[in-house]
Amino acid sequence: KAGVTQTPRYLIKTRGQQVTLSCSPISGHRSVSWYQQTPGQGLQFLFEYFSETQRNKGNFPGRFSGRQFSNSRSEMNVSTLELGDSALYLCASSFTSGDSGANVLTFGAGSRLTVL
Amino acid sequence: AQTVTQSQPEMSVQEAETVTLSCTYDTSESDYYLFWYKQPPSRQMILVIRQEAYKQQNATENRFSVNFQKAAKSFSLKISDSQLGDAAMYFCAYRSRRGNQFYFGTGTSLTVIP
Repeated sequence: KAGVTQTPRYLIKTRGQQVTLSCSPISGHRSVSWYQQTPGQGLQFLFEYFSETQRNKGNFPGRFSGRQFSNSRSEMNVSTLELGDSALYLCASSFTSGDSGANVLTFGAGSRLTVL
Repeated sequence: AQTVTQSQPEMSVQEAETVTLSCTYDTSESDYYLFWYKQPPSRQMILVIRQEAYKQQNATENRFSVNFQKAAKSFSLKISDSQLGDAAMYFCAYRSRRGNQFYFGTGTSLTVIP
């Protein structure tokens, strides 16, 4: 069973540009969550999508957005990049969207974004 | 919002010895789930162990066990017979009974000394 796949693994952008990251969840998983990981801050929740609908959103500016397609694949977009957006962006999928003790997150390897 | 605190940024342990990683959390909820995730240098986060708050019995997975103290809001991870492959960043996480948002601590970097 294939795991969570994130592309690209590494990318370098300059301030003001925008970036799109992609995540393919485990087959059968309908929930996709995105987290930003930075040293010292740990993992910060960005948003969660379930059945193409945003279910929950973290405390990030509107420059961060996402979407989910009918095949559960998800993309996140960051516009007008700032130096502080440099981070590892992790995608995680789960079978349901909470309300289940069995629900755990399975993570991808992440996309390392560097903003110059 | 719930907060998760890991007060040990770095820990080290001799191979074959036992180490305990600390985690405390703050919540007003009575029903929730707690997790320990491991992130090796390759960066893929993997689930180590999970605890359901309504279960008093501490979870165990092979060499990994937890000490769950609900009243104290403490959730420590004990690694027995430490192996070189245990070297990683360990994250403690909280999830409400409802919803799918996980709250993570800032992590503890574990070094295993041969």
